[in-house]
Amino acid sequence: DTGVSQDPRHKITKRGQNVTFRCDPISEHNRLYWYRQTLGQGPEFLTYFQNEAQLEKSRLLSDRFSAERPKGSFSTLEIQRTEQGDSAMYLCASSQRLAGGPGGEQFFGPGTRLTVL
Amino acid sequence: AQSVSQHNHHVILSEAASLELGCNYSYGGTVNLFWYVQYPGQHLQLLLKYFSGDPLVKGIKGFEAEFIKSKFSFNLRKPSVQWSDTAEYFCAVNQRGSYIPTFGRGTSLIVHP
Repeated sequence: DTGVSQDPRHKITKRGQNVTFRCDPISEHNRLYWYRQTLGQGPEFLTYFQNEAQLEKSRLLSDRFSAERPKGSFSTLEIQRTEQGDSAMYLCASSQRLAGGPGGEQFFGPGTRLTVL
Repeated sequence: AQSVSQHNHHVILSEAASLELGCNYSYGGTVNLFWYVQYPGQHLQLLLKYFSGDPLVKGIKGFEAEFIKSKFSFNLRKPSVQWSDTAEYFCAVNQRGSYIPTFGRGTSLIVHP
C-alpha cells in the first residue's frame, strides 16, 4: 500500500497525559498537512509542512500541540497535557507541490482517533 | 476569514434519484474548489476539483460539479444515485496562492436500495 499511513489508528488516554501520533506520507509528496475532525464537522486545518519546514500553523494549534517533520518524510504530532476537548480524529494528508501549479489534490490517511478520558 | 457552507447536512434518497448537494463559499477572489468523499470505513478521497477553465467539472463515478462564480457556488450533482454512493461528502475551497483548504461541515448521503 503506497498511500498515506497513520499510527496508531486509535488512542485512549487519560487527561493530562502526553500523546504522539505519526504520519507517513506518500513518498514523493513534499507537502504534509495535519487536520482535526470532530463529529459532524469537516476537517479543520492545524498545520502544514513543505519538506521539513513548518510553513503555517492554525490558531487552533495551542502551545500544547507541536508537530515535526525532521527529515522531510514522516511527521509527528504531539499533544501535551491532553484535555477532554482534544478528543477528535486527527487526519494527515500529503500532496505534491508542482512549481507554478495550483497546489494539487491532497491524499488523506485513515486518521488517528483520540479519546481523552 | 474564508468560510464554506454546505446547507444540506443529511440527505436521504432512493436509488436512481437525482442528487444535488450545495456548496457556497465566502471568499471573493480566485479560488480552487474540491469535493471530497468519505465512504463508510474508508479514507477521505478526491471526487473532483476545479482550478480554471470549463466551469462544469466531471469527476469519478458519474459525479459532476458546476462552478458559478457570480453565486460563489460549486454544487455537486449526479443524475442517478446508487446505493454505493452512500457516504459523507465534503466541499473544500482554497484561495489561489494558498495551499490550505477550508472544508465545509459535510453532507451525509444515504441511498436506499
